[in-house]
Amino acid sequence: GAVVSQHPSWVICKSGTSVKIECRSLDFQATTMFWYRQFPKQSLMLMATSNEGSKATYEQGVEKDKFLINHASLTLSTLTVTSAHPEDSSFYICSAEEGTDTQYFGPGTRLTVL
Amino acid sequence: GESVGLHLPTLSVQEGDNSIINCAYSNSASDYFIWYKQESGKGPQFIIDIRSNMDKRQGQRVTVLLNKTVKHLSLQIAATQPGDSAVYFCAENRYGNKLVFGAGTILRVKS
Repeated sequence: GAVVSQHPSWVICKSGTSVKIECRSLDFQATTMFWYRQFPKQSLMLMATSNEGSKATYEQGVEKDKFLINHASLTLSTLTVTSAHPEDSSFYICSAEEGTDTQYFGPGTRLTVL
Repeated sequence: GESVGLHLPTLSVQEGDNSIINCAYSNSASDYFIWYKQESGKGPQFIIDIRSNMDKRQGQRVTVLLNKTVKHLSLQIAATQPGDSAVYFCAENRYGNKLVFGAGTILRVKS
């Protein structure tokens, strides 16, 4: 089956630093990937849609300059949290789209900003 | 605004019993729905999906029912097992294949 990986699985950083999270589709190509954020005991909220070879589209209220997305190949999308602050601490999850409807999710990355 | 929501935040069932998790949606134009299972510290795992041209779909131990008249979705798990304990989300596939997730239901299975 389709597998999506994320790296790192968890990261702790100091306030003000930037953190990069990778999302890879391991056995299929994904023109489109999605980035979600999930706070404790809450649902997943879509942050942005990552399109290979073009700019990402962000959901309302998500700062594009703070959450930089790069989708340089059909198997890799990266999310960089710039100048991270404690309120950015969250569980970040990506998904990759195979075909027209099916999304496969990564295992998530736990970000803790001190 | 439009949303996908759940009626019950927590459901406790006895091992071996059947579980029913409910979900209400408000966008009558939605035509594709998915149920996901999420275990602690992990990403969502696909369980079953259904399109709006169907009202029932069955998988292994799971059944999804769709009532378009009242915009209601349910997930039935037969013979619930301890390994079924997790958070369950319904999701609505909207424009551009964007998923809108419901609030989630915690399923606790008592042995």
